[in-house]
Amino acid sequence: GESVGLHLPTLSVQEGDNSIINCAYSNSASDYFIWYKQESGKGPQFIIDIRSNMDKRQGQRVTVLLNKTVKHLSLQIAATQPGDSAVYFCAEKRLGFYFGTGTSLTVIP
Amino acid sequence: EAQVTQNPRYLITVTGKKLTVTCSQNMNHEYMSWYRQDPGLGLRQIYYSMNVEVTDKGDVPEGYKVSRKEKRNFPLILESPSPNQTSLYFCASSQRATTDPTGGGNQPQHFGDGTRLSIL
Repeated sequence: GESVGLHLPTLSVQEGDNSIINCAYSNSASDYFIWYKQESGKGPQFIIDIRSNMDKRQGQRVTVLLNKTVKHLSLQIAATQPGDSAVYFCAEKRLGFYFGTGTSLTVIP
Repeated sequence: EAQVTQNPRYLITVTGKKLTVTCSQNMNHEYMSWYRQDPGLGLRQIYYSMNVEVTDKGDVPEGYKVSRKEKRNFPLILESPSPNQTSLYFCASSQRATTDPTGGGNQPQHFGDGTRLSIL
């Protein structure tokens, strides 16, 4: 099968800095992408989504960028806070939803 | 509060003893799905349901059964659990299932908090 989400396994950032988490996808037919946050002992929590006809979408403190040319998705978190520490993973929709393995973000106070 | 509720949250059992993990959502969502999460593999879809009495296999359905008799409930059944089914399981739901045979439409899924199963 095709892989989704070639993530760096861990990322550490200083509190207040911006974080960038990257995800690569392999299928150019994917038309919808989602970023999830998963805290220890909890289920994935929706952060932000983007459709393939868009390049950028902004939420509260978060921005998702989609580069279809290189099949790359990124999540930017502004002014990272300790509560942002979690595993983040992307999901792409082809015929079904396919999830990456995630990047563990640690925020250093 | 809108939520997806799974029970139990934790279960340790033995090989061959039938078990059911319940999933209930209170958002009137049409689409529901079960995933398992294993280290290094990410979430993998087991079964999904586009609506009541409509279920279909995901990527890893072997050893599992599901039913969708009511819109809000989507139980996962392990008829004869085996150790390779030891995993963290998540139920998810989303609104507005489309005619897409395997997708849940372009809507984000809401997840439960997971059920950790250990099969000895």
